[in-house]
Amino acid sequence: AQSVTQLDSHVSVSEGTPVLLRCNYSSSYSPSLFWYVQHPNKGLQLLLKYTSAATLVKGINGFEAEFKKSETSFHLTKPSAHMSDAAEYFCVVSDRPGNTPLVFGKGTRLSVIA
Amino acid sequence: DTEVTQTPKHLVMGMTNKKSLKCEQHMGHRAMYWYKQKAKKPPELMFVYSYEKLSINESVPSRFSPECPNSSLLNLHLHALQPEDSALYLCASSQDRKGARYGYTFGSGTRLTVV
Repeated sequence: AQSVTQLDSHVSVSEGTPVLLRCNYSSSYSPSLFWYVQHPNKGLQLLLKYTSAATLVKGINGFEAEFKKSETSFHLTKPSAHMSDAAEYFCVVSDRPGNTPLVFGKGTRLSVIA
Repeated sequence: DTEVTQTPKHLVMGMTNKKSLKCEQHMGHRAMYWYKQKAKKPPELMFVYSYEKLSINESVPSRFSPECPNSSLLNLHLHALQPEDSALYLCASSQDRKGARYGYTFGSGTRLTVV
């Protein structure tokens, strides 16, 4: 069975400092992993995805994540936070080759302080 | 066109009303999904359509009735809802169910309030 654990429910950083949002996964197969962002009262936007190619994945808005199989982790990072990064972030897993729908983590709320 | 469009954006309905939510995509995706999201929670899967056929119903109450009239459209018919059904309803699509490994494209959602 697949599952995903976001280790922090809330992360607060100062503008211009690095961002680290942590995610661990469990999967019976080789997983696909995603980070989605949701701004208040908006839908979900795909930030980046890992689908078995390069383990360091670059996404939009300067975010990146590294797939570490030995640690079953897929942490999201950004070198310098911007006020507009304040949002809810979801780590999501999909087993391959299955037909199972995406499984969401509980989310991490990122606050950016001026 | 790389969007999923949901209408209406906001909906207020009484407990005796009948209303419908609409979702449309023109990316040629053959899998479409309805999610319900309560405040400060992750989305919860409600229904999955694959090639216009219902393939997953996550034990959703019958007051929610999905419909997939064609490969581009997905509707969610609402009848006799309860106040606890108030939530953000999100539609998503993927290339097909196996293509879910490349992720879903989400719409902006319909904010539903039941009074």
